[in-house]
Amino acid sequence: EVQLVESGGGLVNPGGSLRLSCAASGFTFSDYTMNWVRQAPGKGLEWVSSITSFSNYIYYADSVKGRFTISRDDAKNSLHLLMNSLAAEDTAVYYCARGAITFDPWGQGTLVTVSS
Amino acid sequence: AIQLTQSPSSLSASVGDSVTITCRASQGISNSLAWYQQKPRKPPKLLMYDAYILQSGVPSRFSGSGSGTDFTLTISSLQSEDFATYYCQQFNSYPYSFGQGTKLEI
Repeated sequence: EVQLVESGGGLVNPGGSLRLSCAASGFTFSDYTMNWVRQAPGKGLEWVSSITSFSNYIYYADSVKGRFTISRDDAKNSLHLLMNSLAAEDTAVYYCARGAITFDPWGQGTLVTVSS
Repeated sequence: AIQLTQSPSSLSASVGDSVTITCRASQGISNSLAWYQQKPRKPPKLLMYDAYILQSGVPSRFSGSGSGTDFTLTISSLQSEDFATYYCQQFNSYPYSFGQGTKLEI
């Protein structure tokens, strides 16, 4: 069974940093583009970042460019998102999702709350 | 960046009804569009890609159409489990983007 499990969320002060992780299982992780998508409380979905296989290409939303860094560890079947200079508007559930064009499946998400 | 606008933002319907949700892209995206269903406190679920191709396991009462800038998601004979929020997503080019969502309520 394909499974994605996010971790690393929590409460962080504005200006702080947080590193999210996504543990993948049930498929050949290194073959797939992986993504982060977020959803602010009560709001819609926002694509955040994508990383292709072998980390050949990396893409970011303008809203996070320069502050967030996506990475992958194919040996450990894991995806990461390092988030710096966090602001209140970064408060959201962060989902890990598999796929180069569509997102399937998704993890259950990890909540990041930026507040003092 | 390509913007997607869904309409309506919310929709009330009854079991057995047929409903249509529209997604309009700010520029042509061929058929590079997907639809997702999200239920409260759950991650989204992929319903359809390439505008009309059903993901495996998705009931045939879901159908999609469109190309270029205008797309529709139709759900015929609504079932109770279909009441959820629906999002379109374009994968024509980065940055990928989603519509703002359509909440389908009883």
